[in-house]
Amino acid sequence: DAGVTQSPTHLIKTRGQQVTLRCSPKSGHDTVSWYQQALGQGPQFIFQYYEEEERQRGNFPDRFSGHQFPNYSSELNVNALLLGDSALYLCASSLERLAGIFNEQFFGPGTRLTVL
Amino acid sequence: AQSVTQPDIHITVSEGASLELRCNYSYGATPYLFWYVQSPGQGLQLLLKYFSGDTLVQGIKGFEAEFKRSQSSFNLRKPSVHWSDAAEYFCAVGYNNDMRFGAGTRLTVKP
Repeated sequence: DAGVTQSPTHLIKTRGQQVTLRCSPKSGHDTVSWYQQALGQGPQFIFQYYEEEERQRGNFPDRFSGHQFPNYSSELNVNALLLGDSALYLCASSLERLAGIFNEQFFGPGTRLTVL
Repeated sequence: AQSVTQPDIHITVSEGASLELRCNYSYGATPYLFWYVQSPGQGLQLLLKYFSGDTLVQGIKGFEAEFKRSQSSFNLRKPSVHWSDAAEYFCAVGYNNDMRFGAGTRLTVKP
């Protein structure tokens, strides 16, 4: 049973460019969350997708957007990259059991984005 | 405001010594609690979790944690640290749909 997978592993971009990161959830999971982990900090919640819609969002600008596909995989897009967007981007998947409660999340290995 | 606090940014212990990493949370109700470990350049590995029931939770690699509702704490412990335990440790809280992480505690192990 494959866990959460992310691609690419590493990515280097320059300021102003756009980037797309990809995530495949753990088999059977239907919900995908994205987190940004800057160097020396804990992960911060970006947003969560369920039923192909953004359900919840953290304190991130509109430059950060996402998508969820019918097969539950997800993309994170970042436009107009800034130096400060350099971070490890983590994807986590979960199975929606009951609304309003926390459903345990399983994390992927992350994509390391470097913005020059 | 909801928050997770790890008071110790960096801890150094000698190999074989005991370890306790502190975590305090501020939430309206009892949340779901987690400890993760992260080696340099790696993703997050779950050490243990608390959802309900017995407040002393056993995890992998010989770690355990105790949930204390009265203190809003979920401290991580290990009786004897190994050199391979050197890493960054994150406490996290799951509440509603997202997880909130502490800033992490970096553990250095002296020979």
